[in-house]
Amino acid sequence: DQQVKQNSPSLSVQEGRISILNCDYTNSMFDYFLWYKKYPAEGPTFLISISSIKDKNEDGRFTVFLNKSAKHLSLHIVPSQPGDSAVYFCAASVGGGSNYKLTFGKGTLLTVNP
Amino acid sequence: ETGVTQTPRHLVMGMTNKKSLKCEQHLGHNAMYWYKQSAKKPLELMFVYNFKEQTENNSVPSRFSPECPNSSHLFLHLHTLQPEDSALYLCASSRPRDWAYNEQFFGPGTRLTVL
Repeated sequence: DQQVKQNSPSLSVQEGRISILNCDYTNSMFDYFLWYKKYPAEGPTFLISISSIKDKNEDGRFTVFLNKSAKHLSLHIVPSQPGDSAVYFCAASVGGGSNYKLTFGKGTLLTVNP
Repeated sequence: ETGVTQTPRHLVMGMTNKKSLKCEQHLGHNAMYWYKQSAKKPLELMFVYNFKEQTENNSVPSRFSPECPNSSHLFLHLHTLQPEDSALYLCASSRPRDWAYNEQFFGPGTRLTVL
């Protein structure tokens, strides 16, 4: 039973446009959410996170939105750049820093076309 | 070196072999993790060590045996593996703090193929 779902295996956008990556979760106890980016032959790298006490967190071109009632979060990248092409993983945990377990989604492959 | 390193990057082994994966972190973190990533599946947490003590074993078969001699090093000993164990094995580390957030830093992974 997947508790974190990324239902779009892939997404293709034009350079300069907005990329929106979506993630849904089923466990209402999750209170901390992260996005990771992974290039081929590299490990995932942390991108941005959000706590359940917020509904938005912004860092440069990256913004994460959290809708707790819908159990949905999204990552917005604007403007998208070719270097953003990678697999993006959504992850969630219960208990913030006191719980080491992260539950990951399967990932979405983002391709940004020049 | 900085960050989280893993060796070897690629490993091919037979089902009767014994091999070990190594992970080293240079970030001063106190928690280390092993994950497995199979094709078309989410990252699966295998083991967690905090201050060298194993705090999580996510129902992993005994043919995978972790070892954490200190907070900077983590090993995964492999023996009598099955072809379905072929996957990318990722190591990660973090520094959980009171009510601060669990951002884990990953190594590049070891691509394991079991013949």
